Amino acid sequence: QKEVEQDPGPLSVPEGAIVSLNCTYSNSAFQYFMWYRQYSRKGPELLMYTYSSGNKEDGRFTAQVDKSSKYISLFIRDSQPSDSATYLCAFRGTTSGTYKYIFGTGTRLKVLA
Amino acid sequence: NAGVTQTPKFQVLKTGQSMTLQCAQDMNHNSMYWYRQDPGMGLRLIYYSASEGTTDKGEVPNGYNVSRLNKREFSLRLESAAPSQTSVYFCASSFSGTVNEKLFFGSGTQLSVL
Repeated sequence: QKEVEQDPGPLSVPEGAIVSLNCTYSNSAFQYFMWYRQYSRKGPELLMYTYSSGNKEDGRFTAQVDKSSKYISLFIRDSQPSDSATYLCAFRGTTSGTYKYIFGTGTRLKVLA
Repeated sequence: NAGVTQTPKFQVLKTGQSMTLQCAQDMNHNSMYWYRQDPGMGLRLIYYSASEGTTDKGEVPNGYNVSRLNKREFSLRLESAAPSQTSVYFCASSFSGTVNEKLFFGSGTQLSVL
């Protein structure tokens, strides 16, 4: 079983739609939960960061963590064409005694004008 | 602040050639990382340096070497490039050991090995 599972998409939505992006994970040692946005031919940029279960909101973006179900989500409200990118979930914690980051494979999002 | 700067942005090599990818950060971070990104595989850690003077293997270190030249700079060397090393390479840095540690990436190097 992979440590992190993320649907690759692509996910196409009309402008203004609410977008839901999801990841599941299997490692209970993950302590920190992140979402990165990656535009084509660019490096990933940190979008959301949280370490507790529940919701964290930043503008149009909401990160949700459910540690009991090992499930994290990113919601984008009023989606814009400029949100078209690949979204990577990421986790930080200890695996086999080693402190590390683990990334999902990314979900490609297209917001249609 | 420039953040994490990588050079070159693009490179084409022939099998067996060598090259060094350069990375520098100006955020006074102690930890630096090299990742490769391949379609369907996500970001995979090649090597990392937890602090100046130390380096450790990541998930996919074979065929690569690294040097932590000083606190700011961390280079990745391919001694004898192979087609399997065709990928996009990202350098990253963080201020590790803090609760709010966050990972910042450079803009990447697109490498093709023919």
